[in-house]
Amino acid sequence: AQKVTQAQTEISVVEKEDVTLDCVYETRDTTYYLFWYKQPPSGELVFLIRRNSFDEQNEISGRYSWNFQKSTSSFNFTITASQVVDSAVYFCALSGTTSGTYKYIFGTGTRLKVLA
Amino acid sequence: DTGVSQDPRHKITKRGQNVTFRCDPISEHNRLYWYRQTLGQGPEFLTYFQNEAQLEKSRLLSDRFSAERPKGSFSTLEIQRTEQGDSAMYLCASSPQKRTSGTDTQYFGPGTRLTVL
Repeated sequence: AQKVTQAQTEISVVEKEDVTLDCVYETRDTTYYLFWYKQPPSGELVFLIRRNSFDEQNEISGRYSWNFQKSTSSFNFTITASQVVDSAVYFCALSGTTSGTYKYIFGTGTRLKVLA
Repeated sequence: DTGVSQDPRHKITKRGQNVTFRCDPISEHNRLYWYRQTLGQGPEFLTYFQNEAQLEKSRLLSDRFSAERPKGSFSTLEIQRTEQGDSAMYLCASSPQKRTSGTDTQYFGPGTRLTVL
């Protein structure tokens, strides 16, 4: 079975603080894909990043960075120098390949509140 | 490219009524997905189309739910005899088929929020 766990339900930080959102996954697939999406109050899921299981390079995009560690089955997301506009719910998702389908398994999300 | 669009954005209905939602994917995306999201939860997969073929349906999709994608373009999701438990956000996503196997990135629409009274 596949599963994504986002243990942090809600995090509050003050603007300019760094914050890390945790994501732990479970899968028996040897090839799989991991994703992060942002869901602002408007409700639309916005794609942030995609990672495949054989590429463990960390990625940095502006203030965002992602740390993928297969050894601990984690794919954590860090926002550096947070801003009020970062306030949203963030979802981690997993998609395996052996079942032949392409559906995503989402975590329950982490609500990030950045206070001015 | 314009993004995925969904209509209506909000729907309020009475228990027992039928409702239909529409999703227009990004043009030339041949894969289309429906998800359901309840308050405080992540989206849950409902069904998936490749072109006009419905290739997978979740156990969440009871007999009261039906989805179609005629001609492989837009899709509709119909719920018959709605129940209060159907209240949720219904999200549509589409993806291109750039890879012969494996997963392509899904792009989501703004969702249709259904409230069943």
